[in-house]
Order: sequence, then C-alpha cells, then structure tokens
Amino acid sequence: GQNIDQPTEMTATEGAIVQINCTYQTSGFNGLFWYQQHAGEAPTFLSYNVLDGLEEKGRFSSFLSRSKGYSYLLLKELQMKDSASYLCAGEGTDSNYQLIWGAGTKLIIKP
Amino acid sequence: DAGITQSPRHKVTETGTPVTLRCHQTENHRYMYWYRQDPGHGLRLIHYSYGVKDTDKGEVSDGYSVSRSKTEDFLLTLESATSSQTSVYFCATQTSAGTGGVEQYFGPGTRLTVT
Repeated sequence: GQNIDQPTEMTATEGAIVQINCTYQTSGFNGLFWYQQHAGEAPTFLSYNVLDGLEEKGRFSSFLSRSKGYSYLLLKELQMKDSASYLCAGEGTDSNYQLIWGAGTKLIIKP
Repeated sequence: DAGITQSPRHKVTETGTPVTLRCHQTENHRYMYWYRQDPGHGLRLIHYSYGVKDTDKGEVSDGYSVSRSKTEDFLLTLESATSSQTSVYFCATQTSAGTGGVEQYFGPGTRLTVT
C-alpha cells in the first residue's frame, strides 16, 4: 500500500528554524498537503504542493520533490504557539483524490 | 472556518452497544468524511460521502456504517461497539473532489471510549 513516513517527534527552540520531513512512494500520489493539529483540536490546513519546488506562506514554507518522494515543512521564527503536531497527507490519483495520512510529527518548542 | 459540529463530543459506552455519531455542516459542502485518529497512526478513512445518499467505504470500514439523508448531516454508526473502536473520530468536509488541492475542513472531534 501507499505509505507516508514522518518523524514521530521533534524538539526546537523558540525563535529558531525547524524542518519537518515527509517521505512517500513516488508513484500513487498527486499532490501533498500539510496540516497543523494542536493537542485536543482538529487539524487545520497549512499548505498544498503539486509542483516541485518551494511554496512560501509567511513563516511557513513547504517543499516538494515528486521524483524523490520527499516533502518538508519549514517553520521559521518559531513561536511557542507552533507547538503542535504536523500532519503530512498524500493526495491519491483516483477520481476522488482521497488522502493518505502520515502519523504526524509532534513538534515541541522550548523557550 | 467551515461550520462543522460533531455530537456528542465525548461518549463512554459498553462493548456490544450500538453508537451513532453525528456530523453537521452549514457550508453546503458536497463531500463529507469520517476518520478515526489513534496514536501512532495517521488519520484513517472510515467512510465518505459524495452526495446525499451516496456513500462509499474507506480503508477501515468494518464494523461501521454511515448514512447521509441531507446535505448537512452525515451519521456514523458503530453497529456493535468493540474496545478496538475506542478512538477519536473526526468528521471532515470538502467543497469538491473533482480536482486536486481542495482542502478538507475538520469538525472538533468526538472522543469515544468503549469499555
């Protein structure tokens, strides 16, 4: 089946930069989403990449390499409120573009 | 944000009892989804709907059924609850799925415990 892999947990310091990686099988996915989920809350949309390259949106950027089956989410100028889980989801190529989700990366921000 | 509510928000039930979770949306989104979220696993799709009375199975549909009689409501039923169905259940909606890159909006979740 299709797998999405991400690190389970990462720790970073307030004000720093962190990169969260996501890898997947190169076939079977159309585009790739990133969602943020604070503890006890619902996931919320951060970004979508369908073309190779970097998409920047304020402090958050997302990168995709389709040939390598690799994506990352880059968070700059980290704030305490960025402590959350970050979910990577591959978009299937079937007619309904169903999502296959990674288990999420829990990001802990320390002062 | 899309107006999506789920009820109940928390429920404790006994093994073998039927349970129905409700998702209600006010955005007139065509697509609706039920996921479960468990530690160590990504969100896993249980069932989804692509219109009124049009539903289909996801990857973990055994033991679950759904119904959608109105655009705004999507019900998930656990026919006979088991301890393995203890989880957090999220409903999500999407305006369409005919093209890629359409984000999903999530409800607040229902925490279900089966004892």
